Amino acid sequence: NAGVTQTPKFQVLKTGQSMTLQCAQDMNHNSMYWYRQDPGMGLRLIYYSASEGTTDKGEVPNGYNVSRLNKREFSLRLESAAPSQTSVYFCASSVWTVGNTIYFGEGSWLTVV
Amino acid sequence: AQKITQTQPGMFVQEKEAVTLDCTYDTSDPSYGLFWYKQPSSGEMIFLIYQGSYDQQNATEGRYSLNFQKARKSANLVISASQLGDSAMYFCAMREGYTYAGGTSYGKLTFGQGTILTVHP
Repeated sequence: NAGVTQTPKFQVLKTGQSMTLQCAQDMNHNSMYWYRQDPGMGLRLIYYSASEGTTDKGEVPNGYNVSRLNKREFSLRLESAAPSQTSVYFCASSVWTVGNTIYFGEGSWLTVV
Repeated sequence: AQKITQTQPGMFVQEKEAVTLDCTYDTSDPSYGLFWYKQPSSGEMIFLIYQGSYDQQNATEGRYSLNFQKARKSANLVISASQLGDSAMYFCAMREGYTYAGGTSYGKLTFGQGTILTVHP
């Protein structure tokens, strides 16, 4: 019963390096999301995909790109990592009715030095 | 403007007592959902309870209940009979409808800043 799986779980990058966070869900959900959580703070939305083929910016999209590869997979790319992007990243998915909860992956701890 | 406000950065409660975690929200959408999540020190996000804007009764899930006061735009979480394992960060979140190229959907949970709950033995 995998739910939402994201990889890698931990990553250290040097400033300027690029990387992609991968996310896959096996619940046949329409919508997928990427959030970031900075120490002692709530989650902030980076990008979301309401359905396969669509992506939209969230609250903090600068420095990131996303790809909704298919219904199952939604990746987040950092093209040129900056120390300000040191954070915990959560992928999530849901169906698109208001009463349904959003299910989260376990988080990816990213440090940019 | 903050859509979700949690005014208590930290709360302390004695084991077996009840505790209320505050949450106020701001929306003009008549259809929305309110959620509470628990985040233990291990980091995962655990769904606790949901309240819909049209629900007539307050939601309950075991020891968790949601005190929903729509006119005041508040959705406080009540944890009864606190346990040591309840020590964690708690987030209030809201889900509103939005329109995109393909139609109308609901998503984008917006989170509050969180409240750290510590349960003392």
